[in-house]
Amino acid sequence: DQQVKQNSPSLSVQEGRISILNCDYTNSMFDYFLWYKKYPAEGPTFLISISSIKDKNEDGRFTVFLNKSAKHLSLHIVPSQPGDSAVYFCAASVSGSSNTGKLIFGQGTTLQVKP
Amino acid sequence: GAGVSQSPSNKVTEKGKDVELRCDPISGHTALYWYRQSLGQGLEFLIYFQGNSAPDKSGLPSDRFSAERTGGSVSTLTIQRTQQEDSAVYLCASSLSGHLNFGPGTRLTVT
Repeated sequence: DQQVKQNSPSLSVQEGRISILNCDYTNSMFDYFLWYKKYPAEGPTFLISISSIKDKNEDGRFTVFLNKSAKHLSLHIVPSQPGDSAVYFCAASVSGSSNTGKLIFGQGTTLQVKP
Repeated sequence: GAGVSQSPSNKVTEKGKDVELRCDPISGHTALYWYRQSLGQGLEFLIYFQGNSAPDKSGLPSDRFSAERTGGSVSTLTIQRTQQEDSAVYLCASSLSGHLNFGPGTRLTVT
């Protein structure tokens, strides 16, 4: 069963506009959520995270929103830049577990930002 | 500083052969993880090392898969009698106490 889902395989936006990437999860035990960005032929790199005690976390152009009742989170990038073009993975974990690095990933969304 | 490195970057092998994939974590990182990404899928957890011990092997898909870590540093993932469904990108990550730092991965193709 897919515990973390990214239902949009791809997204295309114009430079300067907002990019919104969505992620849904099913396991109510998840209490820590992360977004990773991946360029071709490179490993994923950490972008931003949010704990379930918050509903928003902001870091520069990147903001993650968490709606626990809907089991939904989203990543907003504003303004979008061509260098943001990459695959974005949503991931979730249980922070109190003995293996906090065991992340459950979504399938990824490929973002293309057009100049 | 140097990031996580993996070798080889690409490996093509025939079905039934054994393969070894290597990971060099960031120096001083005590935790090491193996993940794999099959085509069109998200990353899938395989195994976790803390030092040289593997307290969580729950993601290894079969007994054909094994991993070890020596000296609290380099790790090797071994796949015996490879099958076509083993074709994937195998990613290694390390961390000290924060977020995972991933290597570039090894693309394994089983023909």
